[in-house]
Amino acid sequence: EDQVTQSPEALRLQEGESSSLNCSYTVSGLRGLFWYRQDPGKGPEFLFTLYSAGEEKEKERLKATLTKKESFLHITAPKPEDSATYLCAVQKNDYKLSFGAGTTVTVRA
Amino acid sequence: ETGVTQSPTHLIKTRGQQVTLRCSSQSGHNTVSWYQQALGQGPQFIFQYYREEENGRGNFPPRFSGLQFPNYSSELNVNALELDDSALYLCASASGSSTQYFGPGTRLTVL
Repeated sequence: EDQVTQSPEALRLQEGESSSLNCSYTVSGLRGLFWYRQDPGKGPEFLFTLYSAGEEKEKERLKATLTKKESFLHITAPKPEDSATYLCAVQKNDYKLSFGAGTTVTVRA
Repeated sequence: ETGVTQSPTHLIKTRGQQVTLRCSSQSGHNTVSWYQQALGQGPQFIFQYYREEENGRGNFPPRFSGLQFPNYSSELNVNALELDDSALYLCASASGSSTQYFGPGTRLTVL
């Protein structure tokens, strides 16, 4: 059965303290890996799609990378507005998204 | 460009009742997926509609059903509500199999 595991469950950072979130997956026939940001009580907001091992995408202070078994979301010099839950999801050829439980990031000023 | 919208925002029902949730797709999108998100968990796939036909379903019982209309808006219907159905229900639209964009969700509470 497909599995998506995110770690850590929670991350508390000081403003400017860079860190990385991990998403490991066991999926046959990966079509794409997605990162979303979710604020409390709201819907997930799309960040990145990665399709093949070695691919990297960047947006402001966020950078996502992909290997054959895991993906990392690097947060460089975070600000309090980066506080959110970050969700990782994998997509196979059936097109549904299978999500991990998320990593909740809190950035203190 | 209008994003994905959902209604209502919040809903309170009692056990055994039926509920209908609504979703309007982003302009130009013909695929709609529904997800259930329990507190502290990632979203779980319920089903997906493409051009008004269901083309994928997750591990949810038949009392969860849906529709997609010619304008690509969609409904999620849940019959015989149970306490465990309390969750945030998310709708996501896409153009074919491309990136899914989510709406703000409907918070359902079953008492």
